[in-house]
Amino acid sequence: EAAVTQSPRNKVTVTGGNVTLSCRQTNSHNYMYWYRQDTGHGLRLIHYSYGAGNLQIGDVPDGYKATRTTQEDFFLLLELASPSQTSLYFCASSDKGREQYFGPGTRLTVL
Amino acid sequence: QQKVQQSPESLIVPEGGMASLNCTSSDRNVDYFWWYRQHSGKSPKMLMSIFSNGEKEEGRFTVHLNKASLHTSLHIRDSQPSDSALYLCAARISGSFNKLTFGAGTRLAVCP
Repeated sequence: EAAVTQSPRNKVTVTGGNVTLSCRQTNSHNYMYWYRQDTGHGLRLIHYSYGAGNLQIGDVPDGYKATRTTQEDFFLLLELASPSQTSLYFCASSDKGREQYFGPGTRLTVL
Repeated sequence: QQKVQQSPESLIVPEGGMASLNCTSSDRNVDYFWWYRQHSGKSPKMLMSIFSNGEKEEGRFTVHLNKASLHTSLHIRDSQPSDSALYLCAARISGSFNKLTFGAGTRLAVCP
């Protein structure tokens, strides 16, 4: 089974704080994604990438940066966290045209 | 407005009954639909996918697609309590680097 791990699993920060969410996949997939999940909105795509050094803008990118350092590692950065970014964040990976495999999620609370 | 609309928002069916979930895209460039299932406190997992007109069956699950209306539906027969979950529909836009747009989901509860 494809493996995607995320860290931390839970994070609490204050408004204006810096947060980095980490994702690693060991599936040799080219594509990686960051989503946020909020009640009533399903999954919304923040950023995605199709290889190391590549970054594509998703549907809700404001307030987020991302960086893909290797094929395995994809990071999501919140440089000035706001309470509106309190959410459940999922990372996923896939091959082109194939199903996306999701990590366990990171619950972020911004006070 | 979300480009992928799911209905109903929630659904309750008796154990052994049939559950029918709907999904429509407003983007005519969709070339692939996916159905994901997310149990409470877990991450989404792919259930079925479809890109051709018609029907696809896997066990108790059947997916239909009408490409002209960009409508897909998921039917679960002989529903079990373990089917209780959030069902997410996703649409892939042609040429979009594998980008998926998800609907808000249908929450299914199967009551014993």
